Amino acid sequence: EVQLLESGGDLIQPGGSLRLSCVASGFIFSSYDMNWVRQAPGKGLEWVSRISGSGDNTYYADSVKGRFTISRDNSKNTLYLQVNSLTVEDTAVYYCAKDHVGGTSYYGVDVWGQGTTVTVSS
Amino acid sequence: DIQMTQSPSSLSASVGDRVTFTCRASQPITTYLHWYQQQPGKAPKLLIYAASILQSGVPSRFSGSGSGSDFTLTISSLQPEDFATYYCQQTYSTPYSFGQGTKLEIK
Repeated sequence: EVQLLESGGDLIQPGGSLRLSCVASGFIFSSYDMNWVRQAPGKGLEWVSRISGSGDNTYYADSVKGRFTISRDNSKNTLYLQVNSLTVEDTAVYYCAKDHVGGTSYYGVDVWGQGTTVTVSS
Repeated sequence: DIQMTQSPSSLSASVGDRVTFTCRASQPITTYLHWYQQQPGKAPKLLIYAASILQSGVPSRFSGSGSGSDFTLTISSLQPEDFATYYCQQTYSTPYSFGQGTKLEIK
């Protein structure tokens, strides 16, 4: 069974940092681009970042560029999101999500984790 | 950046009704368009990808159409489990934007 399990969310003060993790199982992790998507309380979905299967190519939403860093360790089947300089606007559930088909974004994302909650508050 | 606009923002309907949601992209995206369903407190679920292809395991009452800038999601006969929020997403170019969502409520 294909599964994604996020962790690392916490209550943190503005300006702080966290590293979110997403452990994948049930598929060849290195063959798939991966994404982070977040959802603020009571709000819609916001795409945050994407990384290629090799880790060579990364992409970010303007709202997080320069503050967040996506990475992956294919030997550990793990996706990461380093989040720095947090503001209250970053408060959200953060989901990792797997591309439906390896090597292309054409088919959307087909598997989502359960999410990890980041709360930024003083 | 590509902006995705969904309409309506909310919709009330009854079990058995046929409903259609609309999603419009601010520029052409061919068929790089996907629909997701989200139940409260749950992760989104892929329903339709590449504008019109039904994801495995999704009931056939769901269908999608469109290309270019205008897309629709139709549920042919609403079931109780279909009352949820629906999002479209483009993956034509980063940032891979979502629409703001359409909340489907029971009338």
